[in-house]
This record gives sequence, structure tokens and C-alpha cells, in this order.
Amino acid sequence: EIVLTQSPGTLSLSPGERATLSCRASQSVSRSYLAWYQQKPGQAPRLLIYGASSRATAIPDRFSGSGSGTDFTLTISRLEPEDFAVYYCQQYDTSPLTFGGGTKVEIK
Amino acid sequence: EVQLLESGGGLAQPGGSLRVSCVASGFTFSRNAMGWVRQAPGKGLEWVSAIAGGGDTHYADSVKGRFTISRDNSKNTLYLQMISLRAEDTAVYYCAKDRGNSFSSGFDYWGQGTLVTVSS
Repeated sequence: EIVLTQSPGTLSLSPGERATLSCRASQSVSRSYLAWYQQKPGQAPRLLIYGASSRATAIPDRFSGSGSGTDFTLTISRLEPEDFAVYYCQQYDTSPLTFGGGTKVEIK
Repeated sequence: EVQLLESGGGLAQPGGSLRVSCVASGFTFSRNAMGWVRQAPGKGLEWVSAIAGGGDTHYADSVKGRFTISRDNSKNTLYLQMISLRAEDTAVYYCAKDRGNSFSSGFDYWGQGTLVTVSS
């Protein structure tokens, strides 16, 4: 099983600032089969990034993903008020699919 | 517009059973893999099971042998039959559409979830 470790657990930032979220895998995620999701309280998750760096439909370009192998990053270039939420990475390279524990981006 | 509507959640006793369903619309259901992801109260996301468009199934170890995923392409419906339920199965169960047809390519649409509570 591929274990995904996200850091930091909580990120306290102000609107307009840059957010950098990390996701580290316990073994290589081949073909960059890694996705990022955003979840707001009381809502279902929303796909942001797939294939480590491809934005999903209708996702603003302030969201970008990068990385390969075992180290992946989600960057939000300038935080908007609606971006404060919990973010999860997920690998879909091998079964079982696994999610990271999440990073909460909160307003400072 | 893609829509996924779950139903069938509720209260079940430990050792009991429950079946949750997900009716899909807005896309050609048979062409996409589908999955179930759950979230215990106040916790993170946990993948439960997936079924490919062709019917191949996959399960998390925590539910293997107790949960069965299936699909009825004629009814655009995904199912999760749960037996031998445990308190730790208590969670919101989300139905999710996969981007591709085979095992998994990432879940691009999610339902709003149905709450399953296992308690005596």
C-alpha cells in the first residue's frame, strides 16, 4: 500500500498569499497518477488536479500541481477567500487507492 | 450536467447490513469506472471500493469480504452492499465517477454523500 503523507497539517495564510502544500509517497507513484482534491465543510470533495499537474475542468489557473516519483506539490499562487478549505492528495497508481491525511488552509 | 445521487444510508446495528445506491445522470454511465469513498465524522477521506466499466472490482482491505460493489448499467446505478457492519464503518459514503473506464484515473465528480451510522 502506498502511504501518502501531507504537510503541513495546517497552513495559516492571508488572502493574496501563496500556498504551497506537500504530498510525499512511501514509494514511487508511477505515471504520476496523483490527484489533488479540495473539500469545504459540509461539501463533497472537488477534483482540482490529476496526473500530478493537469487542471481539472473549470479549475482556475491559480491552482497548479507539480512533482513526480515520491514528491508532489500543490501551489495556489494567490489565495482567494473561497480557497480556504482542506486539500487532499490521492494516488491512483495501485490498489488500494490511498488518500493523504489532508492539509487545512485557514485564514490567518 | 453530471449528477450523482446517493440514497440508502441510515442506522444499522453492529453485525447488520445495508445497501447504498447511487443514481447517475449526465454522462454515459457504462463508459466510466465508479467508486465509493467514505469519510468518518471529523476525519479524512478513505477509499472503499471501485468498479471498472467492464465490471472488474477492487476493495480496501478494511471492507474486503464484507462489502460488495456492483453496477446496473441499464439503470445507471451503482450499489454498495454492506454486511457484518462495524462501528468503524460509520461515515458519509460518497459515490464518485472516475475519469476513465479502467481501474482508476481520478474521481472527477462526486455525489453529496449518504450517512451510514452503525450503532446499537
